[in-house]
Amino acid sequence: DTEVTQTPKHLVMGMTNKKSLKCEQHMGHRAMYWYKQKAKKPPELMFVYSYEKLSINESVPSRFSPECPNSSLLNLHLHALQPEDSALYLCASSQGPTGGSGNTIYFGEGSWLTVV
Amino acid sequence: RKEVEQDPGPFNVPEGATVAFNCTYSNSASQSFFWYRQDCRKEPKLLMSVYSSGNEDGRFTAQLNRASQYISLLIRDSKLSDSATYLCVVNGPGGFKTIFGAGTRLFVKA
Repeated sequence: DTEVTQTPKHLVMGMTNKKSLKCEQHMGHRAMYWYKQKAKKPPELMFVYSYEKLSINESVPSRFSPECPNSSLLNLHLHALQPEDSALYLCASSQGPTGGSGNTIYFGEGSWLTVV
Repeated sequence: RKEVEQDPGPFNVPEGATVAFNCTYSNSASQSFFWYRQDCRKEPKLLMSVYSSGNEDGRFTAQLNRASQYISLLIRDSKLSDSATYLCVVNGPGGFKTIFGAGTRLFVKA
């Protein structure tokens, strides 16, 4: 079972709504990630936090706003999304590149987002 | 050229068959390499890390050739439960930017 937990598992939101996806890990990892995955496609990296600081933003539209309140928590705030943003949003964590095991990434079960 | 390229699928094999997946990556400065497995509507799960010396875990063997920028996964004695999508994953320079190949779908049939 995954030690990265995501809530909610399913979310339906309107294009004018504001909602948030939440992620928590209890492995003492120092890096946390958001990925987006569309059907029959691989996960696409959105954001990386290292030691609670944003280290990578893959040119994600500003309607997605990440937040890392502490080393165990990661949020993704959603506002004014479009129907094409409907996807599986995966949170992940890792020890980081210097943590040994080659920065193995562990995923949560994901949040299925539908924008209507 | 894509940063990580995998064999196009799907692979349809009978139980007991041996199947090999290949993957190439474009950035020679890539740092670490993995195979993940993803079942339908589930999250990707680590199958194994890949090292230049090769590594084996039961029926699964992974190999990295840095000179050719090539990664492979061999599954022996395929089981029905091996049916899934297999994702080749590469960590780029700096170690955080993790790039997934498009995935290869495997169907193992009785």
